[in-house]
Amino acid sequence: QVQLVQSGAEVKGPGASVKVSCETSGYTFITYYIHWVRQAPGQGLEWMGVFDPTGSLTESAQKFQGRITMSRETSTTTVYMELSSLRSEDTAVYYCARGRDVTYAYSIGYWGQGSLVTVSS
Amino acid sequence: DIQMTQSPSSLSASVGDRVTITCRASEYISASLNWYAQRRGKAPELLIYTASKLQGGVPSRFSGSGYGTDFTLTISGLQPEDFATYYCQQSYFPPLTFGGGTKVEIK
Repeated sequence: QVQLVQSGAEVKGPGASVKVSCETSGYTFITYYIHWVRQAPGQGLEWMGVFDPTGSLTESAQKFQGRITMSRETSTTTVYMELSSLRSEDTAVYYCARGRDVTYAYSIGYWGQGSLVTVSS
Repeated sequence: DIQMTQSPSSLSASVGDRVTITCRASEYISASLNWYAQRRGKAPELLIYTASKLQGGVPSRFSGSGYGTDFTLTISGLQPEDFATYYCQQSYFPPLTFGGGTKVEIK
């Protein structure tokens, strides 16, 4: 079965960077886009970007451009999201997620368990 | 960016009630609208994709409708496990955007 297993909670200071990993299994890694979605405490869902594991597509929301880097390690079927220049407003649970299927790649059918990132001095 | 507006932001209902949540897009999105449920402390779960298609494993009491800019999620016969926050999301064009959420609480 499809599984997305994320790295654990992190605490970072303002201005630092954080790198969240998302280890995938149960499907052909390069076939499906991976999305990153975050949720600040008590708030709604915010799409950050999408990554094609073949390396042919990376797109992010404008507010994160210049601060977000998405990458992959094919040998371990792991996708990474690095967010730099952290500020307190970046405190959130970060989810990696996979498109439902190839046709509906932007309908998010599978989610990781979430990784809490706390930005605090 | 396409803005998604959900209403109401919260509602109280009883087990067995019929519940309707609406979602409006700021511009035309065809049928590219998805619905998710998020229970406390859990990741969201896809319920409906492409406006009206039921995701596998989701009970048939959930249904979706709409096209263009106006969409509806209906729960016919609310069950205890349905008390959650529901989000719509447009998948027409990046950046993907979510509605603000509708919290369904027990009356």
